Order: sequence, then C-alpha cells, then structure tokens
Amino acid sequence: ETGVTQTPRHLVMGMTNKKSLKCEQHLGHNAMYWYKQSAKKPLELMFVYNFKEQTENNSVPSRFSPECPNSSHLFLHLHTLQPEDSALYLCASRRDVDNYGYTFGSGTRLTVV
Amino acid sequence: AQSVTQPDIHITVSEGASLELRCNYSYGATPYLFWYVQSPGQGLQLLLKYFSGDTLVQGIKGFEAEFKRSQSSFNLRKPSVHWSDAAEYFCAVGDNNAGNMLTFGGGTRLMVKP
Repeated sequence: ETGVTQTPRHLVMGMTNKKSLKCEQHLGHNAMYWYKQSAKKPLELMFVYNFKEQTENNSVPSRFSPECPNSSHLFLHLHTLQPEDSALYLCASRRDVDNYGYTFGSGTRLTVV
Repeated sequence: AQSVTQPDIHITVSEGASLELRCNYSYGATPYLFWYVQSPGQGLQLLLKYFSGDTLVQGIKGFEAEFKRSQSSFNLRKPSVHWSDAAEYFCAVGDNNAGNMLTFGGGTRLMVKP
C-alpha cells in the first residue's frame, strides 16, 4: 500500500451508466491528481487540485467530472462514457512544498461496454 | 513544451543479464528527471530522480541512471536483472514552470526470461 487508496479496483459500466471513482489519502498531501493510462499511450494528466481548488483541466471531455470535497478525497464522476474511455485511471497526491514527491494509487481499471 | 521518448516499447532480457532502458527528453531548461516502475495491477513507484549534481544517480532495487545533457538522455541501468524486475518502466520530466507537473514517456515493458 502506498497510502493512496483507489476504489473500486475494477469497474465495468455501460455507456448510459453513471459511476464514480474514489481516491483517498491520509498522507497530509494537499495536491491531488487524476491521470488516464490507456494502452500504448503515455500517461495523460486529466485534472489537478491544489487545496481543494481545481488548478488544471487538461482539455478533458465534460463526461468526466472531478470533485475534491477536501484535501484527502478526490472523486471522478463518470457519465455517458464511450468505449475509448476504457483505461486505467490513476490518482496521485503530493505536498505542494515537496517538489515532485508524488505518491500514486494502484488505479481503477475501467471498462466501458 | 517538454516531451519524453522511450524508444523501446518492449525489452526481453535473461535473468542475471544487464539491463539498459533508454529515455530521451526535450526540455528548455535544466530538467528534473525521474524513473518510475509499475508492476501489473499497481500504481507507479519512484525508482530514482535527478535534480542536479552528480549525473549518475542511484535508486532503489539496485537501479541507477545517468543524465547526459549532451545527448538529452537519462537511461536506466541495472547490472543484473531479477525475475521480479519484470514490469513497465516510465521515464518522466518535471516542469518547474508548470506547477511541477510530470510529463511521462510511453513506457517500456520489461520481460525477464528464466
């Protein structure tokens, strides 16, 4: 365990479903990130939150909706996804004063059918 | 904008053999460079990082990497590979001008033959 916990580990959803991914850390980190890892593509940064405020939205479609209610929790709400959204979604966190001290979760493997 | 290239998508080595994984980067200033490892079903674990100073950096699990500015490279090496090293390896560059964001290469999948 890295200290960053992602649930669920695996998720299969239909294109009309609504689901949410959860990320939780109690490391005292105040920045949290969502990355998308697709087959044969580099990791793509999706969203960044610093102190609960979104500071980066990397041109992500609106069918992905992030939420950061506090510094320890990060959600990714999913609705009307496409099959090409199937991927491993990784959460990461760090303390903003600790340059590059990223801690990654194990990811949620999402399959859209 | 910065970019990272890992030319080898797959590499297979025999257990006990030496290993070198290639990484080339493009970045306008002095780069912050990283190597991460991802075991199946797991997140990314930091192996080592280069910020400044000695261009040969030591990491965990017996890995090392050498920063070569003239070649814009940061290759990862291990003198003797173990079966447990089979995983995917990612090189990354940090952007100090963009909130310390990481840009990752496409990854190299390492397979180890007995």
